[in-house]
Amino acid sequence: EPEVTQTPSHQVTQMGQEVILRCVPISNHLYFYWYRQILGQKVEFLVSFYNNEISEKSEIFDDQFSVERPDGSNFTLKIRSTKLEDSAMYFCASSGTGGIVGNTGELFFGEGSRLTVL
Amino acid sequence: EDQVTQSPEALRLQEGESSSLNCSYTVSGLRGLFWYRQDPGKGPEFLFTLYSAGEEKEKERLKATLTKKESFLHITAPKPEDSATYLCAVQAGADSWGKLQFGAGTQVVVTP
Repeated sequence: EPEVTQTPSHQVTQMGQEVILRCVPISNHLYFYWYRQILGQKVEFLVSFYNNEISEKSEIFDDQFSVERPDGSNFTLKIRSTKLEDSAMYFCASSGTGGIVGNTGELFFGEGSRLTVL
Repeated sequence: EDQVTQSPEALRLQEGESSSLNCSYTVSGLRGLFWYRQDPGKGPEFLFTLYSAGEEKEKERLKATLTKKESFLHITAPKPEDSATYLCAVQAGADSWGKLQFGAGTQVVVTP
């Protein structure tokens, strides 16, 4: 069964360092997303990406964050200068289509990358 | 402000003891309501999408229903493997597809 894969599973970094989280979405999907979940809190939307550009981003996704699809298979989230409050589980997700017709609204999530900022 | 509220926060069931989880929402123009299952340390796993009031979806021991203000996830004769956190999420108004607003979840524990 196709799945979304994420690396690394856990990353520990020092405050102020740059971090890149990597995702390989399901191969024939067109829409890509990053969500995050701070321990004990809700899953929060960060950004959606389609056709090589950001479709929508949340207030959380400030200038410290960026996304990129550097090739035909990878989708990355970069945090330029990490803060303590960036510690969270980051989930990548993908979906096949964006329209409501014929779309179950099913997002396929990866298992997450746990980021710990010290 | 759009809100998604789930209750109860936690639910402990005996195997075979049916129950319901609630998700109440206040959003501008609901486009879809979603149920996901999340196991500890894992990503959410899609269960159902509901688009309009009166709609129902079923999968094994789970059944999801939708009204204009809330959704229920009914668990019939649960088994220990149904233990998980169940998340409700909404897609609202003019938000782009895939931008979901999640509730805090209901943690379900089913004991043998």
